[in-house]
Amino acid sequence: GAVVSQHPSRVICKSGTSVKIECRSLDFQATTMFWYRQFPKKSLMLMATSNEGSKATYEQGVEKDKFLINHASLTLSTLTVTSAHPEDSSFYICSARDQTGARNEQFFGPGTRLTVL
Amino acid sequence: AQSVAQPEDQVNVAEGNPLTVKCTYSVSGNPYLFWYVQYPNRGLQFLLKYITGDNLVKGSYGFEAEFNKSQTSFHLKKPSALVSDSALYFCAVRDIGRSARQLTFGSGTQLTVLP
Repeated sequence: GAVVSQHPSRVICKSGTSVKIECRSLDFQATTMFWYRQFPKKSLMLMATSNEGSKATYEQGVEKDKFLINHASLTLSTLTVTSAHPEDSSFYICSARDQTGARNEQFFGPGTRLTVL
Repeated sequence: AQSVAQPEDQVNVAEGNPLTVKCTYSVSGNPYLFWYVQYPNRGLQFLLKYITGDNLVKGSYGFEAEFNKSQTSFHLKKPSALVSDSALYFCAVRDIGRSARQLTFGSGTQLTVLP
C-alpha cells in the first residue's frame, strides 16, 4: 500500500516559537493532502485541505495565519504552527490522497506529537 | 452534508468472543465507507472499505463490515476477538458524488479485549 511519512514524530518546543511539520507521500503523487488535529481520546478534526500549487482551504475556526500550510510539490506538504502556545499541544496527522487511476484513496501519516511548554 | 455516528465510546469484549463496533452514516448521495484503527500515539491504519458490490466487506486482521443501506449502517465485526485488537476504531464516510470532499470521521470507539 501507499506510504505517507511525517517528520518529526515528536517535538517539544517553547511557547512563542514556530514548529514545522512535514508530510510526504513516498510512493505516489498527491495533489491533495489533508491536515488533521486530534485531541486525546477524540476524533480527528480536519484543519485544512492542502492543494499542490495553490492556497490551502481552511476549515471554519482554524486560523490560517496560525497554521501555515505549504504544498510545494506533489509529494510534500508542510504545516507550520507559528508562535506556538501550550493550547496548540496536540497530535497532528496528515493524509494524502492517491488519485492514480481509479484508486482515489486517502492514506495517513503516523502523526506528530507536539508539546508546547 | 455528510456525517458519521459511532454511538459507543467504549466496547469491552472477552478474548475469543465475537465483537461488533457500530457505525451509522448520513450522506446526500451514495457513500464510500471506511474503517480505520489507531493504536496509541500512532496514525490511522486502514482496515477496510465499501464502495460498491457485495455488502459484506472483508478487511485486514480478520475484520469485516456489513453495509446496510436501509439502516444506513456499516458495523465492524470480527468473529473471535484478540487482546491485540484493543485499540481506537474510527468509521469514516465520503459522498461518492463529491469526489473532492474529505473524509468525515466518527467520534471513535475504544475497543478493549479482555484476556
